[in-house]
Amino acid sequence: TQLLEQSPQFLSIQEGENLTVYCNSSSVFSSLQWYRQEPGEGPVLLVTVVTGGEVKKLKRLTFQFGDARKDSSLHITAAQPGDTGLYLCAGAYNTDKLIFGTGTRLQVFP
Amino acid sequence: ETGVTQTPRHLVMGMTNKKSLKCEQHLGHNAMYWYKQSAKKPLELMFVYSLEERVENNSVPSRFSPECPNSSHLFLHLHTLQPEDSALYLCASSGQGGGTEAFFGQGTRLTVV
Repeated sequence: TQLLEQSPQFLSIQEGENLTVYCNSSSVFSSLQWYRQEPGEGPVLLVTVVTGGEVKKLKRLTFQFGDARKDSSLHITAAQPGDTGLYLCAGAYNTDKLIFGTGTRLQVFP
Repeated sequence: ETGVTQTPRHLVMGMTNKKSLKCEQHLGHNAMYWYKQSAKKPLELMFVYSLEERVENNSVPSRFSPECPNSSHLFLHLHTLQPEDSALYLCASSGQGGGTEAFFGQGTRLTVV
């Protein structure tokens, strides 16, 4: 069974702090995506990483795909209350479906 | 209208009722999905349709019945549900199979009483 574990499960921090969320699996993925979901809404795609070791930046968010394409991390610099939400990683492999991670719920207090 | 639209946004139904969830996408995608999101559980893939054919059915109970009449519309027919079926049901679409980015609707919050 494909499984994507995210850690931490919950994270509460003050505005301005940095944080890292991890997404780990024993499976190799052809690509990995990160989504953010706000209350009452569906997940929204943030980024897709495809190449092992790839690093992508989206303003204060930095995404990295592990060299072996089994894990990924999301680092947020100087978090803001607008970053609050559920962060989901999702792995794609050689069949036509996405496997979603267990999620990290982030709360940033002003 | 663009994007993925789900209706209704909220639904309360009794265990003997029959209801349907609707999903519509205007992105020109040819794959559509139903996901279930429960508290404290990962997002669970229920059904995948590619070019209007069902290609995935993840051991979902028969009380959930999907229908994809064309590439823009997806339904989830519900009958004799259980209270544990209460969850957020999300529809998504993608350009081809699940390996590309998924675009989600806002979901239907279902409560079974």
